[in-house]
Amino acid sequence: AQSVTQPDIHITVSEGASLELRCNYSYGATPYLFWYVQSPGQGLQLLLKYFSGDTLVQGIKGFEAEFKRSQSSFNLRKPSVHWSDAAEYFCAVGAAGANNLFFGTGTRLTVIP
Amino acid sequence: EAQVTQNPRYLITVTGKKLTVTCSQNMNHEYMSWYRQDPGLGLRQIYYSMNVEVTDKGDVPEGYKVSRKEKRNFPLILESPSPNQTSLYFCASSRGDSTRNTQYFGPGTRLTVL
Repeated sequence: AQSVTQPDIHITVSEGASLELRCNYSYGATPYLFWYVQSPGQGLQLLLKYFSGDTLVQGIKGFEAEFKRSQSSFNLRKPSVHWSDAAEYFCAVGAAGANNLFFGTGTRLTVIP
Repeated sequence: EAQVTQNPRYLITVTGKKLTVTCSQNMNHEYMSWYRQDPGLGLRQIYYSMNVEVTDKGDVPEGYKVSRKEKRNFPLILESPSPNQTSLYFCASSRGDSTRNTQYFGPGTRLTVL
């Protein structure tokens, strides 16, 4: 069965510190992987996506993620967090020919000055 | 500006009173979808549509109806809302029918059923 696990419900980091948000997936087919960000009161915005090729993908706002097939992971990273990065982050998985994305439960990021 | 719009943004209603949440996109996308977001559960798909007059159930379709009479619109209908349908609802659209295509999300509709 398809599933996405984001083990951290809430993370707090200091502004300027590095960030890593964890995502593990379970999917029978070759996965397409996504990270979305949801700012308060807003819809979801795509940060980055992985379909194939280079396992390190760059996204918007200085984010990157690395696909590790052996660990079934797709962790999101940012070297230096800005206060505006405070939001909720969702990892999602889909597959070729499928009509649905499966979302994790989200990680809420708080940034302290 | 390319966007997905939803109306209303906030709605408080009572059990059993039929309601419709509208969704419209201006990107000529074939694929549209409805999700609900609940704390601790992430987003779950309710219904999706591959194109005009083509709709199908997602993971949690019970208690919901949809229609796709025009390409740009995909309304979500709750014929007899119940308190367990209190949630945050998102409409999304994308080009084509592949999950490779980026889904664009609306701003959400917060529904409370008393």
